[in-house]
Amino acid sequence: GAVVSQHPSRVICKSGTSVKIECRSLDFQATTMFWYRQFPKKSLMLMATSNEGSKATYEQGVEKDKFLINHASLTLSTLTVTSAHPEDSSFYICSAAPSGSYGYTFGSGTRLTVV
Amino acid sequence: GENVEQHPSTLSVQEGDSAVIKCTYSDSASNYFPWYKQELGKGPQLIIDIRSNVGEKKDQRIAVTLNKTAKHFSLHITETQPEDSAVYFCAAPNDYKLSFGAGTTVTVRA
Repeated sequence: GAVVSQHPSRVICKSGTSVKIECRSLDFQATTMFWYRQFPKKSLMLMATSNEGSKATYEQGVEKDKFLINHASLTLSTLTVTSAHPEDSSFYICSAAPSGSYGYTFGSGTRLTVV
Repeated sequence: GENVEQHPSTLSVQEGDSAVIKCTYSDSASNYFPWYKQELGKGPQLIIDIRSNVGEKKDQRIAVTLNKTAKHFSLHITETQPEDSAVYFCAAPNDYKLSFGAGTTVTVRA
């Protein structure tokens, strides 16, 4: 089945620094990947749609300058949290599906803690 | 866009009993309905899905039923085991994206 790998699983950073999270589709090509944020005991909140070779599409209320998304290849999308602050601490998850499929596979998630 | 409502928010069952979670959706054109299981600290895992051309699908102890007329679909877990304890999310297509329900925390009591 489709496998999505996400790294790192946990990261702690200082306020004001930037953190990059990687999402890779291991056995399929993904022209589109999705980035979610999840607060404790809450559902998944879509942040943005990552499009290979073009700009990401951000959901309303998500700061594109704070959450930089790059989808430079058909198997890799990255999310960079810039100038991180404690309120950015959260669980970030990516997902992808083979072209033409709704069967989205999720990464294992990244627990970001900003201190 | 698609609006998905999920009930109940929490569900506690005795080991061996059945668990049922129900979701309703708003867009009658939706044609794909997945269920995800999320364990603590992990990403959601697809456990079963159903397309709108069938009314029921089973995979061992789990099953999903779909009622297109009423626009609802349900997850059924039979003979529950402690490892079934997790948060379960339903979803439905919203254009090329997925809209998720709020989640159901299932606890299986030994």
